[in-house]
Amino acid sequence: DAGITQSPRHKVTETGTPVTLRCHQTENHRYMYWYRQDPGHGLRLIHYSYGVKDTDKGEVSDGYSVSRSKTEDFLLTLESATSSQTSVYFCAISGQGDGYTFGSGTRLTVV
Amino acid sequence: SQQGEEDPQALSIQEGENATMNCSYKTSINNLQWYRQNSGRGLVHLILIRSNEREKHSGRLRVTLDTSKKSSSLLITASRAADTASYFCATDNTGANSKLTFGKGITLSVRP
Repeated sequence: DAGITQSPRHKVTETGTPVTLRCHQTENHRYMYWYRQDPGHGLRLIHYSYGVKDTDKGEVSDGYSVSRSKTEDFLLTLESATSSQTSVYFCAISGQGDGYTFGSGTRLTVV
Repeated sequence: SQQGEEDPQALSIQEGENATMNCSYKTSINNLQWYRQNSGRGLVHLILIRSNEREKHSGRLRVTLDTSKKSSSLLITASRAADTASYFCATDNTGANSKLTFGKGITLSVRP
């Protein structure tokens, strides 16, 4: 989607390995989010950021960490991937009280 | 935990008919939003209604919000096959920072 890109689009990794997903925006939005989408659960918030170096946990943050060292990049790290983290991960951006713009998603498979 | 719950879970209609989808939520909100997701794609923002608004229109979309009942509805008029997708409601709850809580979604199938 315009103004937001996620990388990689697909990844297969082994259990126990670290994985980092990247979200990059060109909209200069204050807020950035990481969600995961699983069948039967809809989208669930993992972590979000409300400014450079300002992050907070969402409802499913265990096993994940994030970093935002500059406005345009928000990184999601799985320190030691587990099979339960197999999912589709979406990044989103927004201004305060605005609609979100979502990235195209990263399909992660942990084997 | 899920804030919004959509109803029905799945809806199948004929092209040209109207589609009505409902969403209920539990806590106070700043706004409520509806999104569409086509298979294998990211979510696309459709419409946002603020807590002090009761109705909003955008093209063939009409959204209502009843804060006393903690519910919202999305009406798509004169549906088209291209409207086939999953639809999600999401609530931006009151609080210092904006963050959306999504429902599990409604699968809409529009038959040609």
